[in-house]
Amino acid sequence: AQSVTQPDIHITVSEGASLELRCNYSYGATPYLFWYVQSPGQGLQLLLKYFSGDTLVQGIKGFEAEFKRSQSSFNLRKPSVHWSDAAEYFCAVAARFNQAGTALIFGKGTTLSVSS
Amino acid sequence: GAGVSQTPSNKVTEKGKYVELRCDPISGHTALYWYRQSLGQGPEFLIYFQGTGAADDSGLPNDRFFAVRPEGSVSTLKIQRTERGDSAVYLCASSLVPGGGSYEQYFGPGTRLTVT
Repeated sequence: AQSVTQPDIHITVSEGASLELRCNYSYGATPYLFWYVQSPGQGLQLLLKYFSGDTLVQGIKGFEAEFKRSQSSFNLRKPSVHWSDAAEYFCAVAARFNQAGTALIFGKGTTLSVSS
Repeated sequence: GAGVSQTPSNKVTEKGKYVELRCDPISGHTALYWYRQSLGQGPEFLIYFQGTGAADDSGLPNDRFFAVRPEGSVSTLKIQRTERGDSAVYLCASSLVPGGGSYEQYFGPGTRLTVT
């Protein structure tokens, strides 16, 4: 069965420092992978996605993620964190029902705090 | 509206009562998903609609939960005989389902259900 593991429940990073959030997945075929961000009282916003091709994907707000098949990982990175990045981050893999529809399987999330 | 909307934003009900949660997807999106997010967890898939029909309802926890989408647009999630364990944020998402396969889901802000 498909699953997503986010090993870090809570991370604190200094403003301006680099960030890496870890994500490991379990999926039998080539996965479709996503990172979402959720701010308090806000809906989930897609940061970036990987479907195929270049394993380094760029997203919004200066985030990037690298797909590593050998490690079953899809870690999220940002070179310099801003205070506004404090939020909950979710990694997800798409479980395909059929060619048209997919449900997302989410990890439990990582809470990012940014210190000044 | 431009995004997915959900009403109400908050719902407090007593144990044993019936509740309905509404989702209005992005216009033209044929796929609609319901997820449930419990405290400290990532969203968990409940049900997926393709048009008017439920393509997969394998995530519904039991027969107290039911969802409809009679005209292929607005969807209602219905919970009978609510239990305190049903307390969670219920998220709705929609996506385009073109022939090429776009798996990006757009999420609404959620309905926070509290069962007392």
